[in-house]
Amino acid sequence: DSGVTQTPKHLITATGQRVTLRCSPRSGDLSVYWYQQSLDQGLQFLIQYYNGEERAKGNILERFSAQQFPDLHSELNLSSLELGDSALYFCASSRGLSGNTIYFGEGSWLTVV
Amino acid sequence: AQSVTQLGSHVSVSEGALVLLRCNYSSSVPPYLFWYVQYPNQGLQLLLKYTSAATLVKGINGFEAEFKKSETSFHLTKPSAHMSDAAEYFCAVSGGSQGNLIFGKGTKLSVKP
Repeated sequence: DSGVTQTPKHLITATGQRVTLRCSPRSGDLSVYWYQQSLDQGLQFLIQYYNGEERAKGNILERFSAQQFPDLHSELNLSSLELGDSALYFCASSRGLSGNTIYFGEGSWLTVV
Repeated sequence: AQSVTQLGSHVSVSEGALVLLRCNYSSSVPPYLFWYVQYPNQGLQLLLKYTSAATLVKGINGFEAEFKKSETSFHLTKPSAHMSDAAEYFCAVSGGSQGNLIFGKGTKLSVKP
């Protein structure tokens, strides 16, 4: 158990819908990362927050957004969902920034039908 | 920009044989390098991490990796494969100030009895 908690574990939704994935980082970790894992794209970095502020952006679509709240939990919002958004979404956390070990949650399986 | 190349999407070894998973990186700054393992339907678990303290890094489950700057490589090895090592292995680089990881495409390891 990495200490990073993600909900829901599985989610099935229809195209055009919007979903929210939730993440609680390890106790004491200030940095939260979101990754998308799919068969064709592999593990793609989406976005990173540190102590409530956005710090780095990767291959995140404009239809996707995220935020980190004062209690440090984070949410990833996916809207206008398409079939191609079906993937495993990981949240990860670390104590600080550069060089820190990043711990991953079990992921949220999203299926868009 | 940073990138990681993992040579071989699938590697098959016999139980008791040497495991060698290859990883080459590209980074404009001194990198931090990581190997993660993903078992079926699970999240990513850290195997080991290079942070410039020592070029030979020992990790969990008998794995180790050697950082070779001249070859820009960070190959993962294990002297004797066990059936339980069957999983997907990801090499990742982090060199930016924010600490986010850039992953390779992964290598699926199969272990034959």
